[in-house]
Amino acid sequence: QVQLVQSGAEVKKPGASVKVSCKASGYTFTSYYMHWVRQAPGQGLEWMGIINPSGGSTSYAQKFQGRVTMTRDTSTSTVYMELSSLRSEDTAVYYCARSRLSLSWFDPWGQGTLVTVSS
Amino acid sequence: EIVLTQSPGTLSLSPGERATLSCRASQSVSSSYLAWYQQKPGQAPRLLIYGASSRATGIPDRFSGSGSGTDFTLTISRLEPEDFAVYYCQQYGSSPEYTFGQGTKLEIK
Repeated sequence: QVQLVQSGAEVKKPGASVKVSCKASGYTFTSYYMHWVRQAPGQGLEWMGIINPSGGSTSYAQKFQGRVTMTRDTSTSTVYMELSSLRSEDTAVYYCARSRLSLSWFDPWGQGTLVTVSS
Repeated sequence: EIVLTQSPGTLSLSPGERATLSCRASQSVSSSYLAWYQQKPGQAPRLLIYGASSRATGIPDRFSGSGSGTDFTLTISRLEPEDFAVYYCQQYGSSPEYTFGQGTKLEIK
């Protein structure tokens, strides 16, 4: 079955960077896009960006331009999301989610990775 | 950017009742590219509805979606105990930004 398994929780200091991974299985990795969505504690869902695992092209939400980098490793069917210059407001659960096309719904989602930014 | 506004913020109902959740867009959503997700505490969102009215695989038929343009509705015909959760609408027709509504919390009355 299709599965997205994310890396474990992280605790970072303000100004640091974090890199979260999302390993895909159960389907052809390069045939689906991957998105990253975050959710601050008690808040709603916020789309961060998309990567095409086939060629590696990316598109980021304007809010995160310059701070986020999404990459992929086709040999391990893994996508990565790196967020730099962390501040306390970046404390959130980060999810990866698959879509068939760039304009398509998200299904399934990874289990989420909690990133805590604290001094 | 398309802004999605969900109402009500919180809906208090009893099992067996009918739930109607609304999602209104600030501009027309292309080709009904609207989805609904359910999220329970400590879990990732789960896809319920895509294309405004198509049920995802494995979703019970008590869940239905309708609407077009700027007004969309998620209806749960008869609430089961496991349906109490937070529901989000999402538009995915306006690349490169994919926006979510702020959510409706469905709680047990």
